[in-house]
Amino acid sequence: GEDVEQSLFLSVREGDSSVINCTYTDSSSTYLYWYKQEPGAGLQLLTYIFSNMDMKQDQRLTVLLNKKDKHLSLRIADTQTGDSAIYFCADLYSSASKIIFGSGTRLSIRP
Amino acid sequence: GAGVSQSPSNKVTEKGKDVELRCDPISGHTALYWYRQSLGQGLEFLIYFQGNSAPDKSGLPSDRFSAERTGGSVSTLTIQRTQQEDSAVYLCASSLHRSGNTIYFGEGSWLTVV
Repeated sequence: GEDVEQSLFLSVREGDSSVINCTYTDSSSTYLYWYKQEPGAGLQLLTYIFSNMDMKQDQRLTVLLNKKDKHLSLRIADTQTGDSAIYFCADLYSSASKIIFGSGTRLSIRP
Repeated sequence: GAGVSQSPSNKVTEKGKDVELRCDPISGHTALYWYRQSLGQGLEFLIYFQGNSAPDKSGLPSDRFSAERTGGSVSTLTIQRTQQEDSAVYLCASSLHRSGNTIYFGEGSWLTVV
């Protein structure tokens, strides 16, 4: 069935790198996404990766895709307090009719 | 408009009443999605539109939920005889086309059923 899984919580020290992991079950994914949701706000598209790519870098963000293991990760370099949010991994399901979201990883930053 | 626009942003309604939630997608986006996010939960897919047709309604939780899209643009999600468990944020998203490499969300409509 369709499933995207993430760990629920991650705590990192300010200035360190954060790595948020995600696994998915769809063997025919085309696009995988990372969204950020701050308290009381909607979802902000952070980045996406096409399934024929292994890596995508965008400023402090690095996305790694291991298609064989169906594993996606988001690395945030030099994590700042403004990065505190819930991060959702999402998969454009192969039928291309819906995007399946993980339950979100709550990232908290400690001084 | 510049982004996906949803209205109302907040709605408090009495149990048993009907509500309508509106989504105005980004101009030119043919694909439109509705999701629901309950407090502290992930996103639950409700329905997807390609143009005015809805090839996938599999996520609608009950027959009290319906959605339509007219003119390939604005969509309305209607919840009849609202129940307390319908309280959630209803999020709309749109993308340029079905393969959806750029999918953008609105701010959501926060529904509270009392």
